[in-house]
Parts: sequence; structure tokens; C-alpha cells
Amino acid sequence: GAVVSQHPSRVICKSGTSVKIECRSLDFQATTMFWYRQFPKQSLMLMATSNEGSKATYEQGVEKDKFLINHASLTLSTLTVTSAHPEDSSFYICSAPRDRGLEKLFFGSGTQLSVL
Amino acid sequence: AQTVTQSQPEMSVQEAETVTLSCTYDTSENNYYLFWYKQPPSRQMILVIRQEAYKQQNATENRFSVNFQKAAKSFSLKISDSQLGDTAMYFCTMGAQKLVFGQGTRLTINP
Repeated sequence: GAVVSQHPSRVICKSGTSVKIECRSLDFQATTMFWYRQFPKQSLMLMATSNEGSKATYEQGVEKDKFLINHASLTLSTLTVTSAHPEDSSFYICSAPRDRGLEKLFFGSGTQLSVL
Repeated sequence: AQTVTQSQPEMSVQEAETVTLSCTYDTSENNYYLFWYKQPPSRQMILVIRQEAYKQQNATENRFSVNFQKAAKSFSLKISDSQLGDTAMYFCTMGAQKLVFGQGTRLTINP
């Protein structure tokens, strides 16, 4: 079946550094990728939607310059957390629809970011 | 704006019992999808069941079924013959171009 591969699964970094998270669609072309953040014991909050070949669409309240999203190809989208701070520590998850629309949506396995 | 509300933060039932998780939502869209996802301790999101809003027939997947009331904007999940492996966080979510998630219900199945 369709798979979205997300890496790394866990990353620990120092405050002030940047961290890149990758999501790849392994056997389908993902023209769209959704990026979510999940704090402990909370729900998934949509951060932004990346589209191949165009700028990402950010949700209200999400800092574009802090969370850089690049959809470089039809199979790869990246989220870079720039100048990370402890409050950015969270679980980040990506998901991609296989076809147009949300009928068939596939999630990555998530990345736990811990900023010291 | 779309909103999804799950009013039951936690639920607990005995193995083999039936349990119903409630979900209400609000949207101005006419065509959209509704989903229930399960998130076990691994935190991998697992699709439980999907419903297209234009379909009146309630979706079923083995032990899982939904009661979709479009006019009332309600989308509850019924789990029959519950199993220990059903223990997880369950999220109700809906959307047309993007998904909005409910707060989640932590379901525990006791032996």
C-alpha cells in the first residue's frame, strides 16, 4: 500500500540550531503535503500545507520564517525548524493525499523534536 | 471555519463490550470527508473508518461502524466486541481540502 516515510523519528538539538524533517511518498506522487504539530496529550494541529512547485500555505499563527517548508519534488516535502527553542519541542507529523482530495490520506510516522 | 468537538476526553469499557465515541462538527462545506483515526502509543496515525458526506449510508469496517447524521453534524463511532488492542487515542476529523481534528478520546479496554 501507499507509504509516507518520515525521518528522523526522533531528534534532540540545542537551542538556536535548525532541524530538518523530511517526508517522502514512496510509491505515489504527493502534490500536497500537510504538516501537523502535536503537543503531549493534545490533538493534531495543522501548521501548513505544502504544494509542489509553489509556496506553502500556513495556518494562522504559524510563523513562516520559523517553520520553513519546501516541497522540492512530487515525492519530497521538508519542514525546517529554524533557530529552535525549547517551546518548539513537539511531535511533528506529515500526511499526504494519494489522489486529488482527502479520500486516501497517508500519514508519516512522526518526528519527536526535543530542543534543549 | 471548521470545528470538530469530541466531548469525551476518556472512556473505559470491559473487553467484548460495545462502546460509542461521540463527535460533532461544524462546517459550511457541503461536500467533505469524515474520518476516525486511532493513535496507539506508537503515535502512528491509523485510519479506522472513513465516510463521505454525500453518502447517506453509514460506513462500516468489521467491528467499527459510524452513525452519520449530516443535518445534526454528528459522526459517532461504535466499536463492537471491543478488544484489548483497541486501546488508543481516537481522533474524529473532517474536512474538504484540509482536515481539522477533534480533541481526542482516550479509550481503554480493560481485560
